[in-house]
Amino acid sequence: GAVVSQHPSRVICKSGTSVKIECRSLDFQATTMFWYRQFPKQSLMLMATSNEGSKATYEQGVEKDKFLINHASLTLSTLTVTSAHPEDSSFYICSARGAGNRLHFGPGTRLTVT
Amino acid sequence: DQQVKQNSPSLSVQEGRISILNCDYTNSMFDYFLWYKKYPAEGPTFLISISSIKDKNEDGRFTVFLNKSAKHLSLHIVPSQPGDSAVYFCAARVSGNTGKLIFGQGTTLQVKP
Repeated sequence: GAVVSQHPSRVICKSGTSVKIECRSLDFQATTMFWYRQFPKQSLMLMATSNEGSKATYEQGVEKDKFLINHASLTLSTLTVTSAHPEDSSFYICSARGAGNRLHFGPGTRLTVT
Repeated sequence: DQQVKQNSPSLSVQEGRISILNCDYTNSMFDYFLWYKKYPAEGPTFLISISSIKDKNEDGRFTVFLNKSAKHLSLHIVPSQPGDSAVYFCAARVSGNTGKLIFGQGTTLQVKP
């Protein structure tokens, strides 16, 4: 149990376009989900906390207008990278908070902006 | 500022021996510390955690030690197996039921047969 999926697993887009990444909790409800970004050989950096039915809370230095987060249901949060640039190329990982405050991570999405 | 630090980017040990991965933190506002195992292009997998009020937690081959006065924790794997080869991340959970985790930079463990 407690599976989190992400879609797509890989995406390549052109500079200036927008990309949406989905994070789903498949067998549990998650009022809170988290979005992380990982650059090669670096740590997972928390970008924002996504709360169902309310606005996301962004970490310092993360542009909320560039990284749009929507948590419209208890099983789905989406991250939209708007007007993507090559420097946005990264590995994006979500996690969902389940029972007992345990966090369950998705498999990640590799974004490449050309 | 890096609140959670793993100062060793890599570690290589022989199969059957002990692997010790270290982690330091600078913030006292963490209530739990966790270790995750991660393979390239995959999400982290939870290994073991420890409450800030404990000093040791053991689960099979994995033991985590917490030294609060030194703001240091370590993960011991014994005996190490080749399948343990991966990147290990230390993470600290921010107090206050936020669920927020702050990750270290990771240590790549290689266990040689």
